[in-house]
Amino acid sequence: DAGVIQSPRHEVTEMGQEVTLRCKPISGHDYLFWYRQTMMRGLELLIYFNNNVPIDDSGMPEDRFSAKMPNASFSTLKIQPSEPRDSAVYFCASRGTSSTQYFGPGTRLTVL
Amino acid sequence: SQQGEEDPQALSIQEGENATMNCSYKTSINNLQWYRQNSGRGLVHLILIRSNEREKHSGRLRVTLDTSKKSSSLLITASRAADTASYFCATDANQGGKLIFGQGTELSVKP
Repeated sequence: DAGVIQSPRHEVTEMGQEVTLRCKPISGHDYLFWYRQTMMRGLELLIYFNNNVPIDDSGMPEDRFSAKMPNASFSTLKIQPSEPRDSAVYFCASRGTSSTQYFGPGTRLTVL
Repeated sequence: SQQGEEDPQALSIQEGENATMNCSYKTSINNLQWYRQNSGRGLVHLILIRSNEREKHSGRLRVTLDTSKKSSSLLITASRAADTASYFCATDANQGGKLIFGQGTELSVKP
């Protein structure tokens, strides 16, 4: 089975541009999580969904960040406008009935 | 602060030695999990221990859980250079499906 799929794997953009990160969870999983990882702040939970509904978005840094899950097999995390401090690795993870989470390979975002 | 706090932050050992990492947490939990992250990759689940379990083994991994002290340890026996990675504990505290991750221990195993 394919694991969690994220795209793109690397993104380099300029400050002020819109960035969209994509995630396909493992089929049958009903939870989807978006994390951000930096050296300074470690691994941070940004938002998570259950059955496509956002449950907790308290980790979203500010209004420039938004996330959607239009169906069970796709989610996006959008940053508009992007800033250099948004540079990080963004992970998507999913889980099913067990609380074990399965992580994607991450998207390394660099905002110049 | 984080639910899971790990100690040490970094650990450097020689191949063949044992590596022990510790995790402390604050609230009652359903289970505690350990994950591994190789540089530049996503986290990978290693082992889960339930709140009513005290010890669990998986290959060269041994996990203990002391709910009275709200702490857990991960022991990697006979370490290999390939064990070099960051190790995270994560607690399931019945908070709506999410896990709370610690800051991680960076393990370096020198050949």
